[in-house]
Amino acid sequence: EIVLTQSPGTLSLSPGETATLSCRANQNVRRDYLAWYQQKPGQAPRLLIYGTSMRATGIPDRFSGSGSGTDFTLTVSRLEPEDFAVYHCQQYGYSTHTFGQGTKLEIK
Amino acid sequence: QLQLQESGPGLVNPSETLTLTCSVSGGSINGTTDYWGWIRQPPGKELEWIGSINYDGATYYNPSLKSRVILSVGSSKDQSSLKVTSVTAADTAVYYCARHIFSVRYRFDPWGQGTLVTVSS
Repeated sequence: EIVLTQSPGTLSLSPGETATLSCRANQNVRRDYLAWYQQKPGQAPRLLIYGTSMRATGIPDRFSGSGSGTDFTLTVSRLEPEDFAVYHCQQYGYSTHTFGQGTKLEIK
Repeated sequence: QLQLQESGPGLVNPSETLTLTCSVSGGSINGTTDYWGWIRQPPGKELEWIGSINYDGATYYNPSLKSRVILSVGSSKDQSSLKVTSVTAADTAVYYCARHIFSVRYRFDPWGQGTLVTVSS
């Protein structure tokens, strides 16, 4: 099973700043199979990025994804108040989908 | 737009079977390459994929849960059901269903709102 480790666990930033979230895998992940989700309290996850760098429908271009191999990054530029949430990365490999433990992005 | 909704009992006794249903509206998963995906999130813990099923009944499961999970598709093809047998407190979680896009770039989108299931006597 491919294990995803997200860092940092919590990221404290101010609106207008740029957030850089990391997702590291213990084995190579195919770029087509890496996605990012945003989850707000009491809500279901929402797809942000799939295929490592493709934005889902309706997602602003402040959100961008990059990476390859075992290291992937979600960047959120010009943070807006509504961006403060928990972010999960997710991958498919060896016939199984796994998620990272999440990064909480909080207002500083 | 496609919407999914989970339904089922919020409380299940230990050792019994948890049964949930996912209903689709505003579109269809029937006849497409997409699957219904089931994912759960124990309180304060990470998301865990349970398994996925397509309209034709083809399934694949998380190996860690496979022995206790049964997925099925309703006769109308607009519903999917999840059964988890022999539940324990460790199965307490918010259970989500989602469209599992299973072509080229795999992803779950959209998700249902989720339903909390507590295992307790």
